[in-house]
Amino acid sequence: EADIYQTPRYLVIGTGKKITLECSQTMGHDKMYWYQQDPGMELHLIHYSYGVNSTEKGDLSSESTVSRIRTEHFPLTLESARPSHTSQYLCASRDRGLGNTIYFGEGSWLTVV
Amino acid sequence: EDQVTQSPEALRLQEGESSSLNCSYTVSGLRGLFWYRQDPGKGPEFLFTLYSAGEEKEKERLKATLTKKESFLHITAPKPEDSATYLCAVPLNAGNNRKLIWGLGTSLAVNP
Repeated sequence: EADIYQTPRYLVIGTGKKITLECSQTMGHDKMYWYQQDPGMELHLIHYSYGVNSTEKGDLSSESTVSRIRTEHFPLTLESARPSHTSQYLCASRDRGLGNTIYFGEGSWLTVV
Repeated sequence: EDQVTQSPEALRLQEGESSSLNCSYTVSGLRGLFWYRQDPGKGPEFLFTLYSAGEEKEKERLKATLTKKESFLHITAPKPEDSATYLCAVPLNAGNNRKLIWGLGTSLAVNP
C-alpha cells in the first residue's frame, strides 16, 4: 500500500488567491510527480523531481510551481488562481529503477470561482 | 509515434459475466507496462506491472497478461465493486520512466 498523502483533498477558492497543494510520502522515494487530470480525461504530467533541489516542467504547460527541499515533501503552488486551474491534481512517487511502480496519492480537487 | 490505446472505452457487464480489457502499445523496447484502477474522484491505485511478453499476474478476480504488442486485463466473475476506470501506462524508452504514456482508460460498470 502506498504511503503518499495529499492535502487538502478538496478546495474552493476565489480568483487571484495563492494556494499550495501539499504532498508527502514516507517511502523515501527519490522521484516525485504532479499530474493534472480533468474528469474523464487522461493524466497529464505537469512537474517532476528526481530528488532534492531537482525539479523540471512536465509535458503539459502549467502556471504552477513546485519545490523539493526535502525528499518526502513536494508542494505545488499557484501564485494567482484562475478558473482555468480548476482540476484534480495528483501527486505520485516512485523509487529508483526504470520499471519501478509509480504510486499515487488520493488527489486534490481544486475549484477556482 | 509512441502510443497507448485502450479498448473498449466503456464496458457494462452483469455481475458474474467475465470479460477482458485491452491495452495496445506502439512503444519500442518495452520497459514495463502498468495497470491501474481509478475510482471516481480518487488517484489511480496500482494493480500490476508486467515486464516481458508471456508474463501473467493475478490478483483476486483480475489477471493481466502481456504480449509484444498488447496487454489484456481479464476480469473473471466480476462484482459491482470492480466498477472503476482501468488505466494502463507504458514508460517511454528514454532511459527513465519519467515520461509515462497513459491510455485513456476503460470505464467498467458491473451491474448487480
